[in-house]
Amino acid sequence: EPEVTQTPSHQVTQMGQEVILRCVPISNHLYFYWYRQILGQKVEFLVSFYNNEISEKSEIFDDQFSVERPDGSNFTLKIRSTKLEDSAMYFCASSLMSDEQFFGPGTRLTVL
Amino acid sequence: EDQVTQSPEALRLQEGESSSLNCSYTVSGLRGLFWYRQDPGKGPEFLFTLYSAGEEKEKERLKATLTKKESFLHITAPKPEDSATYLCAVQAGSSNTGKLIFGQGTTLQVKP
Repeated sequence: EPEVTQTPSHQVTQMGQEVILRCVPISNHLYFYWYRQILGQKVEFLVSFYNNEISEKSEIFDDQFSVERPDGSNFTLKIRSTKLEDSAMYFCASSLMSDEQFFGPGTRLTVL
Repeated sequence: EDQVTQSPEALRLQEGESSSLNCSYTVSGLRGLFWYRQDPGKGPEFLFTLYSAGEEKEKERLKATLTKKESFLHITAPKPEDSATYLCAVQAGSSNTGKLIFGQGTTLQVKP
């Protein structure tokens, strides 16, 4: 059964460093998303991506964040200068149409 | 403001003791309501999509229903393996990008 994969499973970084979180969505899907979940809190939408461009982003997704689909299979989230408050689980999701989304296992980001 | 509220926050059941989880939503035109299951440290696992009031979906011991203001996830004769956090999410009509707005979840524990 096709699934969304994410790497790494856990990333530890120093405050101010750049991190890139990687995702391989389900191969025939067209819509791609990033969400995050701070420990004990709700899952929050960050950004949606369709047709090689951002289609919607939240207030959280400021200039420190960027997304890219560098080839036909990968979808990345870059945080340019990490802050302590960026520590969270980051989930990638994909969908065929803009409906049922399938989530990856997540990357736990710890900023020290 | 679009909002999703789930209750109760936590629920303990004995194996075989049926119950229901509630998801109340306020959204500017509902495009879809989604139920996910989330195990600790994992990504949300898709369960159901509901699109219109009166709609019902079933999968094994789970049944999801939808009204104009809320959705219920009914769990019939639960087993310990049903223990997880159940997340409700909505897509608003104002967004055609697939953005999901999540509730805080109901953590279900089923004791043998």
